[in-house]
Amino acid sequence: GAVVSQHPSRVICKSGTSVKIECRSLDFQATTMFWYRQFPKQSLMLMATSNEGSKATYEQGVEKDKFLINHASLTLSTLTVTSAHPEDSSFYICSASGQPPGAQYFGPGTRLLVL
Amino acid sequence: AQKVTQAQTEISVVEKEDVTLDCVYETRDTTYYLFWYKQPPSGELVFLIRRNSFDEQNEISGRYSWNFQKSTSSFNFTITASQVVDSAVYFCALSEDSNSGYALNFGKGTSLLVTP
Repeated sequence: GAVVSQHPSRVICKSGTSVKIECRSLDFQATTMFWYRQFPKQSLMLMATSNEGSKATYEQGVEKDKFLINHASLTLSTLTVTSAHPEDSSFYICSASGQPPGAQYFGPGTRLLVL
Repeated sequence: AQKVTQAQTEISVVEKEDVTLDCVYETRDTTYYLFWYKQPPSGELVFLIRRNSFDEQNEISGRYSWNFQKSTSSFNFTITASQVVDSAVYFCALSEDSNSGYALNFGKGTSLLVTP
């Protein structure tokens, strides 16, 4: 149980295009999902907290107009990187809060390469 | 401020050696959770352990063991008789009751290389 999927696993796009990444909790409902970003040889940094039915909360330094988050259902959150640029190339990982309290379930991640 | 400190950036050991990865955390919450994850080159995070702040009992799982000491705010991870397959980056992480939804604060990671 407690499986989180992400799609796509890898995406290459041209500079200026938008990319949507989906994060799904497959066998449980997640009121809260998180989006993290990891640059090469660095740690995971929280980008935003996504709550079902409400606006996402972004961490300092993360542009909310560039990284659009939608959490329309209890099993799906999406991250859209708008007008992507090479510096947005990174590994994006989502996680979902579940049971027991404090548990976090991570997706397999999405590698984004912007040319 | 860094809430989770993994002072060891890289560790290299020879197979069958024991190795301890250090983790020191900082929090004012009384309820919090500590985690260890393994990240192989594929990138996917592999969950190893989750420990809540009220349970200081040390845990052993096969070759893995964890030493949680609130007095020193440490949650160290030991691999006994290391194997080449243990080579990966290991992250220690903290989530706090005061942080809505329990988002994780990750340490910078320790890259472990086990050579034959």
